[in-house]
Amino acid sequence: AQSVAQPEDQVNVAEGNPLTVKCTYSVSGNPYLFWYVQYPNRGLQFLLKYITGDNLVKGSYGFEAEFNKSQTSFHLKKPSALVSDSALYFCAVRGRSNDYKLSFGAGTTVTVRA
Amino acid sequence: EPEVTQTPSHQVTQMGQEVILRCVPISNHLYFYWYRQILGQKVEFLVSFYNNEISEKSEIFDDQFSVERPDGSNFTLKIRSTKLEDSAMYFCASSFEQGVRTEAFFGQGTRLTVV
Repeated sequence: AQSVAQPEDQVNVAEGNPLTVKCTYSVSGNPYLFWYVQYPNRGLQFLLKYITGDNLVKGSYGFEAEFNKSQTSFHLKKPSALVSDSALYFCAVRGRSNDYKLSFGAGTTVTVRA
Repeated sequence: EPEVTQTPSHQVTQMGQEVILRCVPISNHLYFYWYRQILGQKVEFLVSFYNNEISEKSEIFDDQFSVERPDGSNFTLKIRSTKLEDSAMYFCASSFEQGVRTEAFFGQGTRLTVV
């Protein structure tokens, strides 16, 4: 079975500081990894994905994520956080090639203070 | 930017009643999904739908649930006889392709409260 863990319920950072949201995964075979963000009263918005190739993936709003196969991690990063980045972030994984459902982590609430 | 829209945003219903949650996927998308998130828990897959039939469903998606694409634009989730434990946020999603490499686009969710 495939699964994702987001070990931190909440992350608090000051505006302008680096932001990291952690995600580890468990899957048999190659992982296909995704990050989504949910702003208040909005749907889940796609940020970025890792499929294959370069371990550093760049996405929307200045976010990037680093795939680390040996640590089975896919941490989301932003070099300089903005107050507007405050939201709920979800990591998700797909595993086998014929398994199209996404398995989500529990989510991490990010608060960026001015 | 095209987006998935869901109505209503909040639905309150009495236990045992039927509810229909509605979704308008992105217009050129071919694959449709329902997920749900019980408060404080993970987002869980319910069902995927393609070419007017269910392509995959989870163990949560039992006989009280059904999905339909009644016309060219709407995609609905029906819960026949709601239970208290059906209270959750229900997300509709769609994608153009159904490959493992393809991201799904989600709506803003319908919060269902069963009383």
